[in-house]
Amino acid sequence: DADVTQTPRNRITKTGKRIMLECSQTKGHDRMYWYRQDPGLGLRLIYYSFDVKDINKGEISDGYSVSRQAQAKFSLSLESAIPNQTALYFCATSDSRAGGNQPQHFGDGTRLSIL
Amino acid sequence: QQPVQSPQAVILREGEDAVINCSSSKALYSVHWYRQKHGEAPVFLMILLKGGEQKGHDKISASFNEKKQQSSLYLTASQLSYSGTYFCGTDSNDYKLSFGAGTTVTVRA
Repeated sequence: DADVTQTPRNRITKTGKRIMLECSQTKGHDRMYWYRQDPGLGLRLIYYSFDVKDINKGEISDGYSVSRQAQAKFSLSLESAIPNQTALYFCATSDSRAGGNQPQHFGDGTRLSIL
Repeated sequence: QQPVQSPQAVILREGEDAVINCSSSKALYSVHWYRQKHGEAPVFLMILLKGGEQKGHDKISASFNEKKQQSSLYLTASQLSYSGTYFCGTDSNDYKLSFGAGTTVTVRA
């Protein structure tokens, strides 16, 4: 879904480096989410935000931080990357205006490898 | 807590049926189903709300039993295009989802 854009698409880096993954959307949605996907574990929620001033920890927030720079932008940072953060990372958005828990729309993912 | 999906994997021939189950230990408000093709992003299929409704998407349908905290996804007369990994996402009325580990479906000609 090109309406949710993640950059970079692939990144290889070294242990201890600071990394930022970016997500931007043109869907006008207010809710944004960051997930990581590991084989056999499905999608696990790292952080989520329901508007610019609202940031919440998910299931696995340790070692990560986020910034909601604008309604359309939500960035995920790894302050000091470690090898077990190697994973596929997805950003997703949803729209609160229709009420309830609406479908989530995913970006194409960032494949992150930490050596 | 992540919901439990079963089976982990299923192999079908075209035209065969399959059922994927999703079970949660928490009270649920709704259940979402997504499909992910290899190397792609998950794509939304359907949402089921409290009330035990059943929904359909082409020949893929689902049911939700909130008393048992379970949902099932039914693949009927499977097509090659149904191959992928299916995830359930459970919602306890807090506008975020907990996803199961996924069920990989392979449909062969």
